Amino acid sequence: GEDVEQSLFLSVREGDSSVINCTYTDSSSTYLYWYKQEPGAGLQLLTYIFSNMDMKQDQRLTVLLNKKDKHLSLRIADTQTGDSAIYFCAEGFGNEKLTFGTGTRLTIIP
Amino acid sequence: DTAVSQTPKYLVTQMGNDKSIKCEQNLGHDTMYWYKQDSKKFLKIMFSYNNKELIINETVPNRFSPKSPDKAHLNLHINSLELGDSAVYFCASSQGGAGRGNTIYFGEGSWLTVV
Repeated sequence: GEDVEQSLFLSVREGDSSVINCTYTDSSSTYLYWYKQEPGAGLQLLTYIFSNMDMKQDQRLTVLLNKKDKHLSLRIADTQTGDSAIYFCAEGFGNEKLTFGTGTRLTIIP
Repeated sequence: DTAVSQTPKYLVTQMGNDKSIKCEQNLGHDTMYWYKQDSKKFLKIMFSYNNKELIINETVPNRFSPKSPDKAHLNLHINSLELGDSAVYFCASSQGGAGRGNTIYFGEGSWLTVV
């Protein structure tokens, strides 16, 4: 079955790197995603990685995928106050469905 | 212009009532979705439509009935509202399936409170 887990909370000092982790159980996913949800808003796609890749970098964002351990991470370099949000990982299975993780609330300490 | 718009944004209603949430997307996408986000922020898919046809129906009670009059609209009607229906309901759309690497665009959510 599909089960996507994340730590619920993460606090990081402004300027440091944030690393948000995600573990999943269903290894048949074809794409893995990171979404950001700001307060009172819908989710916004940040980045995604195809399941046969192990790393993707996009400006301040680095996604690492360890398929053997079923572990996905999102690193945000030089974290800013505007990065405060809830971050969701999600699995895609090559169809219409996305299975979202439990979400990690990132808090930036000034 | 808002890409995915849903109304109302806030809805407070009594148990037992029937209510609808409307959604429209102006992106020309062929696939639309309804997601439910509970108080703990868990996000679950409810329905997915592709070109007005139901593709995904995820063990949602029969009290919830989606309707897609055309591919730009996907409305959600809820009968006999219960306290447990209180949540934020997100409409979304994508061109092609969201699980195929296509970007899914979310609306801003409709906050439903059942009292």
